Amino acid sequence: DTGVSQDPRHKITKRGQNVTFRCDPISEHNRLYWYRQTLGQGPEFLTYFQNEAQLEKSRLLSDRFSAERPKGSFSTLEIQRTEQGDSAMYLCASSAPSPWEPMYLNTEAFFGQGTRLTVV
Amino acid sequence: QQPVQSPQAVILREGEDAVINCSSSKALYSVHWYRQKHGEAPVFLMILLKGGEQKGHEKISASFNEKKQQSSLYLTASQLSYSGTYFCGTETSGFGNEKLTFGTGTRLTIIP
Repeated sequence: DTGVSQDPRHKITKRGQNVTFRCDPISEHNRLYWYRQTLGQGPEFLTYFQNEAQLEKSRLLSDRFSAERPKGSFSTLEIQRTEQGDSAMYLCASSAPSPWEPMYLNTEAFFGQGTRLTVV
Repeated sequence: QQPVQSPQAVILREGEDAVINCSSSKALYSVHWYRQKHGEAPVFLMILLKGGEQKGHEKISASFNEKKQQSSLYLTASQLSYSGTYFCGTETSGFGNEKLTFGTGTRLTIIP
């Protein structure tokens, strides 16, 4: 397993079109995160899955954004009716809390290379 | 609210030391440090947990002041490979997940 992989790496789309990105996490990782990063800024949280359950969505995520993680494996992020402000790097990360910890403490999250979206 | 990092940018000669600070206005349960090179994914460096536990790389150390909601990353004897932008990510919910609020970033440039 070579880490978190994302597809495509680059996407150019016209305003108003729909786009879908895919993320394949590290195989044994049950947590999966989507972040968005614009130039010169840190990643910004979008949404989070534990297995197949979407546990949290950022208030910044409009109704045009939807994410799924069927069967708790890969995840897709869809943006409908894209706008120029959606142009950004979309990053996926995965993690696996240790089952031996008394509580599920934080652990390291591994990021994919991201999908760079340009809306023209 | 986004944690604030300082300095925003620093240039060092190879072999010099650097300290990067991260300050939050919210109570912190953990602080995660990442390094990102241009066009690449953020790479995990260090995690500091409330209560003092740390996980990370051998050549990088960090501190976590829970009372002040601050963390500092220490890079000693810097190497050319240390160049990149460093981000702290903070977890404030207490749920023990990796939903992080990332800081403003510190660009580190190491010159020979």
